[in-house]
Amino acid sequence: DAMVIQNPRYQVTQFGKPVTLSCSQTLNHNVMYWYQQKSSQAPKLLFHYYDKDFNNEADTPDNFQSRRPNTSFCFLDIRSPGLGDAAMYLCATSADRVPNTEAFFGQGTRLTVV
Amino acid sequence: AQSVSQHNHHVILSEAASLELGCNYSYGGTVNLFWYVQYPGQHLQLLLKYFSGDPLVKGIKGFEAEFIKSKFSFNLRKPSVQWSDTAEYFCAVNEKDDSWGKLQFGAGTQVVVTP
Repeated sequence: DAMVIQNPRYQVTQFGKPVTLSCSQTLNHNVMYWYQQKSSQAPKLLFHYYDKDFNNEADTPDNFQSRRPNTSFCFLDIRSPGLGDAAMYLCATSADRVPNTEAFFGQGTRLTVV
Repeated sequence: AQSVSQHNHHVILSEAASLELGCNYSYGGTVNLFWYVQYPGQHLQLLLKYFSGDPLVKGIKGFEAEFIKSKFSFNLRKPSVQWSDTAEYFCAVNEKDDSWGKLQFGAGTQVVVTP
C-alpha cells in the first residue's frame, strides 16, 4: 500500500500559470520534504517541514512555495512556472529530523511546462 | 562544497553478471550513507544504509555496499544480477551533525539488465 501519495502523477501547465502539486502520507511522519529532480540530475531539496515549521533551502527560488495544512498533506505551489521548472517533483517523509532516519518517497509528479 | 558523485550514468549488463556501482562523497564531517533504488514506475525506496560499525553492509535483494572512509566511497555491489534489478540507483549522504538529516543525492545510475 502506498504510504506517500503524490497527485497528479503527470501535470502539464502553461508558462506562467500557477500550479499546485500535492502530497499526502499515511505514516503520520513529522517531517515532509519536497525535492526537484531534473533529467539526469540528482534530486535537489527545495524545502522541508518539521511539523508546521517550514525550512527553505537557501537556493530555492521565490517562485516555489509550500503549504502544510496538517500532518498528512503538503503542497508545492509554483507561482509562475517557467520552462526551466519542468522536472520530476518528489515528496518524501521521515519520522523525525535526526540524520539516521529513513526517508520514504512518493512516486513523484512529472511537471511539463508548455 | 558538499557533493555526491556517481561514476556511471548508465550500465548495461547481462543476467548473472556482477554489478558494482561507484559512489564518492565530499563532506567535511562524519556522514551517514544510503543507497536508494527506483524501479520503473515506482517510488524511490531504501536499499541499504550505513550509520556506523561494520563497513560492509547488506541490504535487500542481495545487495551490499562497502564504506571505505579513506577513499570517501560507498560502492554498491551485487554478485549476480537478475532482470528484475533493472532500475535507477541513487547514492545519498547526510551529515551526522545536521539536525535535519537532509539527504544529498548523487545523479543516479540507470542499470539495465538484459535477459
